[in-house]
This record gives sequence, C-alpha cells and structure tokens, in this order.
Amino acid sequence: AQTVTQSQPEMSVQEAETVTLSCTYDTSESDYYLFWYKQPPSRQMILVIRQEAYKQQNATENRFSVNFQKAAKSFSLKISDSQLGDAAMYFCATMDSNYQLIWGAGTKLIIKP
Amino acid sequence: EAEVAQSPRYKITEKSQAVAFWCDPISGHATLYWYRQILGQGPELLVQFQDESVVDDSQLPKDRFSAERLKGVDSTLKIQPAELGDSAMYLCASSCGQGNEKLFFGSGTQLSVL
Repeated sequence: AQTVTQSQPEMSVQEAETVTLSCTYDTSESDYYLFWYKQPPSRQMILVIRQEAYKQQNATENRFSVNFQKAAKSFSLKISDSQLGDAAMYFCATMDSNYQLIWGAGTKLIIKP
Repeated sequence: EAEVAQSPRYKITEKSQAVAFWCDPISGHATLYWYRQILGQGPELLVQFQDESVVDDSQLPKDRFSAERLKGVDSTLKIQPAELGDSAMYLCASSCGQGNEKLFFGSGTQLSVL
C-alpha cells in the first residue's frame, strides 16, 4: 500500500524568509503524481504544486518549488519569501493508479510577522 | 472560475439523527470524490464516483453511510444514524475524469455530532 509521511507536525518561519517542508512516500507505481496542498483556516484544499514522477525537472510555481528525489522517495516543498497568507496546514499527497489521493498527516506552517 | 459547491457549510446534529450533505461538482467533471477529514489529520476517501457509478466505496461505513449520484452530476452523502465519532469535515472534490490527476475541492461541510 502507498504511504505518505510528513515528519514535521509544525514549522514556523519569519516573514520574508524561506522554509522547507519535508515529505517522504512509498509507492510501487512506476509512474505517479505528487502534490502539495494548502489548507487555510477556511478548510478548503488548494493545490499548491504538482510533480509528475517521470519528469526529472523540479516543479515550480512562483514562490513555491519542490525538491523531488525519486530514488530517495522524497518530495519537499520550499516556500521562498514567506508571506502571512502562507500560514496554513500543508499536505503532501501521492496519487495511485485509481486516481485516488493518498495523504500525509500534514504540517502546520506558522508565519511570524 | 468554476467551483465545487457544497452545502451546508456547517451542520450540528444530535447523536442518532440523520444528516445529509450535498455536492455539486464543476460542470462536466465526471469523477466525484467524498472525503472525511478529522481535525489534525489528512483526508480519508469515503467514496469515488465515475459519472453515476461507484468506483470505490471500500472505506465507506455502509451500515450508516450512503452516497448517491443518480444523474451523474450532483451527489448526496447521508449518515443515518449519526454517531459522535462522525464529527469531522466532509470534503467533496471533482475532476474531469479518469486519467486526470487534478482535483478541485469544495469548501466542505463541518459536521458536529452532539
């Protein structure tokens, strides 16, 4: 069975600085997708970034980028120039062959002004 | 921008009562998912539909939960009778269909069972 592990229950960062959230996963799939979702206090899940496993190039979306290490099954999220609006729960997820998301337990990100 | 609509936003009910949640996916989205999220945890898939057919309901507690998507558009999730442990956020998501990995989520229904 696929699993996703987020080892950091909570992280904090000073506004305007950079923070990295960790995620490791286990899968038997040869091709798969990886995702980072943001869940603010409103509780709506918002897609931050996604990575196709067959692509070696790391995905980037503005201030958000990933460090995808396929052999190590690691998929960390880097947020640059942190803003107060980035405060939220961040979930790492992988998608199985049935197009179902397998989720980590989440990391709470706190932004210090 | 099109959104997944869910209602109600909040629901408070007493133990043993029946509750129902509604979801209207983005127009044209064939795949619809219901997730349950307990506070402090990641979402757990309850049921997945492809059009009006159930693709996977292996994690749905069928003795008390039911889900339907009769015309392959909107969907209803029902709990009867509700139990204290059902208190959670119920999230609906949709995607264009099998083979499309991008899910769009609604704002969820927060259920409190007293």
